[in-house]
Amino acid sequence: EAQVTQNPRYLITVTGKKLTVTCSQNMNHEYMSWYRQDPGLGLRQIYYSMNVEVTDKGDVPEGYKVSRKEKRNFPLILESPSPNQTSLYFCASSLRRAGGYGYTFGSGTRLTVV
Amino acid sequence: KQEVTQIPAALSVPEGENLVLNCSFTDSAIYNLQWFRQDPGKGLTSLLLIQSSQREQTSGRLNASLDKSSGRSTLYIAASQPGDSATYLCAVFNTDKLIFGTGTRLQVFP
Repeated sequence: EAQVTQNPRYLITVTGKKLTVTCSQNMNHEYMSWYRQDPGLGLRQIYYSMNVEVTDKGDVPEGYKVSRKEKRNFPLILESPSPNQTSLYFCASSLRRAGGYGYTFGSGTRLTVV
Repeated sequence: KQEVTQIPAALSVPEGENLVLNCSFTDSAIYNLQWFRQDPGKGLTSLLLIQSSQREQTSGRLNASLDKSSGRSTLYIAASQPGDSATYLCAVFNTDKLIFGTGTRLQVFP
């Protein structure tokens, strides 16, 4: 089944403790992206990757890092999480960035930082 | 800067009604528009993808239209069912990313 898989689904952590949220897709998509969703603010892009070893900042990149060493994986790294990073996070992929291809989203990771 | 607005923000209807959800965007230079469904606390499920050159797409009881020149899209849901209760999001792709509206929360009661 074609899908985007995120892990973990739920995570509670303490301020300052480094964490990684994994994202993997099995569709050979070039383009991958991370979003966060907050009440009243909607979905906002954190980082995106157009292909292996090519990443760039989205609208809200502060406090996050990403890497794209393999085409299928695009982990989101929070080096020193803070309470304002408590949110619902989504990974998404598309065949290419532009050209009319739709996006497939993962099931989400609900992160709470205390 | 592209802005996407969805009206209404919330809608509660009895089962069986035909519904229209609205999405408007400020920059007509889009590649495509995608409608998603989100159940509470869950991920986004793609419903329909409309390319910029298309006027509409249909899937089962769902029909989405696109009028690029006026910056509008509508999602039509025929014969609504309680299982349709969810938040519906539209998103447009223009220069380099998908930009989302804030959604319409739909409740269909028996």
